[in-house]
Amino acid sequence: NAGVTQTPKFQVLKTGQSMTLQCAQDMNHNSMYWYRQDPGMGLRLIYYSASEGTTDKGEVPNGYNVSRLNKREFSLRLESAAPSQTSVYFCASSEALPYEQYFGPGTRLTVT
Amino acid sequence: RKEVEQDPGPFNVPEGATVAFNCTYSNSASQSFFWYRQDCRKEPKLLMSVYSSGNEDGRFTAQLNRASQYISLLIRDSKLSDSATYLCVVNGVGYNFNKFYFGSGTKLNVKP
Repeated sequence: NAGVTQTPKFQVLKTGQSMTLQCAQDMNHNSMYWYRQDPGMGLRLIYYSASEGTTDKGEVPNGYNVSRLNKREFSLRLESAAPSQTSVYFCASSEALPYEQYFGPGTRLTVT
Repeated sequence: RKEVEQDPGPFNVPEGATVAFNCTYSNSASQSFFWYRQDCRKEPKLLMSVYSSGNEDGRFTAQLNRASQYISLLIRDSKLSDSATYLCVVNGVGYNFNKFYFGSGTKLNVKP
């Protein structure tokens, strides 16, 4: 049981480049989430998916898009990266709401 | 006003000490509360859920005070391995029921 996996672990982008962060979970959870974590800010919700086929905005959705590809996979896309998107990105899943979440190992993204 | 607020610390304590953290939340209708632990450069991991009647797990005790809208975490007989950042998490209400709000964390350093 791998839990929640994320790829890549590290990424450096130039301003204006695009990329997709991948997340998959093998716990058969219905809900999945994307967060970003910045120093002193705590985790902030970017987007979430309460169930397969649905997605909703969180606190900081601007500049991001998501796709809930199937029950297992939830991807986060940066269409045109900006230095303000330099952060650590965590994916999480939860069996149901509002039960505890399980996190992936994170993606450290730097935008220059 | 932030949904969840924590004292960032750091709390520097000797091994064997008892230490307590508090966390306040803004929405009195919140129903689910958690403490997560996050080690440096790692993902958050669930430490314990917080139940209305209070709950204990070994050296860790969590309490909920609905009247004053705070939750607490007590760690007894601190170990070096308890050094980490402790995150308080509260779920949203109403339209935001599917969302979790994280405090920015309280850093604990346990010294020999």
